[in-house]
Amino acid sequence: KAGVTQTPRYLIKTRGQQVTLSCSPISGHRSVSWYQQTPGQGLQFLFEYFSETQRNKGNFPGRFSGRQFSNSRSEMNVSTLELGDSALYLCASSLYTSGSGTDTQYFGPGTRLTVL
Amino acid sequence: AQSVTQLGSHVSVSEGALVLLRCNYSSSVPPYLFWYVQYPNQGLQLLLKYTSAATLVKGINGFEAEFKKSETSFHLTKPSAHMSDAAEYFCAVSSGYSSASKIIFGSGTRLSIRP
Repeated sequence: KAGVTQTPRYLIKTRGQQVTLSCSPISGHRSVSWYQQTPGQGLQFLFEYFSETQRNKGNFPGRFSGRQFSNSRSEMNVSTLELGDSALYLCASSLYTSGSGTDTQYFGPGTRLTVL
Repeated sequence: AQSVTQLGSHVSVSEGALVLLRCNYSSSVPPYLFWYVQYPNQGLQLLLKYTSAATLVKGINGFEAEFKKSETSFHLTKPSAHMSDAAEYFCAVSSGYSSASKIIFGSGTRLSIRP
């Protein structure tokens, strides 16, 4: 079974631009979560989607948004990029059997975003 | 509210020595606890998870962790370190069965193995 895939793997943008990152979950997984990983803040939860609905949201500004499609693939968008948005963005999928808190999350390799 | 604290941002051990990575949690409800490993330029991989069954949890690659409620700890151990264990390790906590629960990660511990 193929793992979680994220595209692109690397991205360079300039301040003020917007970016869209894509995540394809493991086949059969219905939940997709997004995380931002930086050396200073560590791993921070962005949001979780299940059945095309946002179930959970972290403490990030409205510039960060996401969506999930009917095939469970997910995208996240960051508008008006800032230097501080430079990070590794990780996507994780899970079956969502009884709630995301206990499910094993399977992570993709991440998208490394650099904002200049 | 939940939180997790990993003691020691960097741990170095000799090959063959005991690995001990410390994790303490705070949770107002019975927690679910996880250890993940991240190798360079890769995503996170689940090592093991505690979901209120046995307090001693065995994971992959010879790792295990013991849930100690009285100490609010979930330390990760491996009897004999291998060079391939060099990676970053994350402890995480969640409130379990809830549509609103989310997983909170610790700041990570980088494990180095000396030859």
